[in-house]
Amino acid sequence: SQELEQSPQSLIVQEGKNLTINCTSSKTLYGLYWYKQKYGEGLIFLMMLQKGGEEKSHEKITAKLDEKKQQSSLHITASQPSHAGIYLCGARGNFNKFYFGSGTKLNVKP
Amino acid sequence: DTAVSQTPKYLVTQMGNDKSIKCEQNLGHDTMYWYKQDSKKFLKIMFSYNNKELIINETVPNRFSPKSPDKAHLNLHINSLELGDSAVYFCASSQGGGGPSFPPATQYFGPGTRLTVL
Repeated sequence: SQELEQSPQSLIVQEGKNLTINCTSSKTLYGLYWYKQKYGEGLIFLMMLQKGGEEKSHEKITAKLDEKKQQSSLHITASQPSHAGIYLCGARGNFNKFYFGSGTKLNVKP
Repeated sequence: DTAVSQTPKYLVTQMGNDKSIKCEQNLGHDTMYWYKQDSKKFLKIMFSYNNKELIINETVPNRFSPKSPDKAHLNLHINSLELGDSAVYFCASSQGGGGPSFPPATQYFGPGTRLTVL
């Protein structure tokens, strides 16, 4: 069963705008991963969060994990067309299973 | 240099055929994985191998058989292909993480193989 819910499912923003993607789990996460998939290409690892309250940034992308370690957000500041793609959150759950969310499709209009 | 590579990138075949997808990683990792991504973009793990030993074997049909000739390769062989096998298959690798380890290992993914069964 799918344990990670992502929202929104798709997003269209104007270049330069900020945006947030959310990933929610019904269970405590033992590590939350964010990936980006460019259309028709493989997954690119972005960031990993492990501790409650942890926040990491890379260029214009910031990811946070809440204190309960059940929700993570990915925030993009001043979006650019190069940010377009599908963003996936992933997490390790019970019995060493690795789950992914259903993804958020992002389009950035120039 | 490509870290995790898969061949072929696209595969179109008829129902009932047998096909293989190859995966190679040059990261020196000891764990490799196969994932299936369905039309709704859900990624589901199929297998993981650690040092050529099967660690995770999810409920997949017996028609799917992974083969790991060495730590750098994990190939996926599919017998008697069915329409429902159409999907994108991703290979990944990590250092550790295939078993009950903590913290979970970062997985690096290949570009995917789009399989279409007609």
